[in-house]
Amino acid sequence: QQQVRQSPQSLTVWEGETAILNCSYEDSTFNYFPWYQQFPGEGPALLISIRSVSDKKEDGRFTIFFNKREKKLSLHITDSQPGDSATYFCAASPSSNTNKVVFGTGTRLQVLP
Amino acid sequence: GALVYQYPRRTICKSGTSMRMECQAVGFQATSVAWYRQSPQKTFELIALSTVNSAIKYEQNFTQEKFPISHPNLSFSSMTVLNAYLEDRGLYLCGAGDWGTYEQYFGPGTRLTVL
Repeated sequence: QQQVRQSPQSLTVWEGETAILNCSYEDSTFNYFPWYQQFPGEGPALLISIRSVSDKKEDGRFTIFFNKREKKLSLHITDSQPGDSATYFCAASPSSNTNKVVFGTGTRLQVLP
Repeated sequence: GALVYQYPRRTICKSGTSMRMECQAVGFQATSVAWYRQSPQKTFELIALSTVNSAIKYEQNFTQEKFPISHPNLSFSSMTVLNAYLEDRGLYLCGAGDWGTYEQYFGPGTRLTVL
C-alpha cells in the first residue's frame, strides 16, 4: 500500500511556466513533508520542506501548499527553467526523532526551452 | 552545510558474493541513519533505520542477516549486502538526520550491479 502518492507521473512544461506537482498521503501522523529533487545518476537532494503546522512554505521559485484536512500538498515551481528538469519526490515523516521518511513514487518534470 | 558522502559510487559484484558500502556525514551529527534502496522503477524502499543508542530497525522484507548495518558514531555508517543476487541491484542511498531536526540528507548513493 502506497502511503504517499504523487501525480502526475510525468509532467512537461515550457520554460517560464508554472509546474504543479501533487502529493497526497494516508497516515494522519505524518507531520513533516520534504520534497526532494533528483537528477539522473545522483542521490535525492532536499529541495524544500513543510511542517503540518503551516499551510504554505515558499523558497524562491518553489512553493509548497499544504492542506492538512484533505491530506494533500503540492509543489509549485514558478518560472520553470530547463535546469529544473528532474524527478521530484514528495516524502513524509511521522515525527522528528525517527527520521523515518516515506517516499512517494515521484514526478518526472521536463522543462522545455 | 550538511553533506553526506557515500563510497563507493558504483560497484559490481558477482552473484553470491558480498559488498560493503559506507556513508559519511559531514557538518552535522548523524544521530539517525536510514538506508534505502532505489529500484530501477525509481521507488524508494526503506531497508532499515539506525538510531544512535537504539537497536537498528529493519523493514519488512529486509533482515540483518542479509543487510548487516554498523553505525558506530555520529558521522559514519556502513551496510553490507551479503550474498548478493540480481534482485539486489539498485541504487543504495544513505539518509542521515539529526535528532531534534526534521531534515534528512542523502548521499549520492552506491549503485550496485550484480553479474
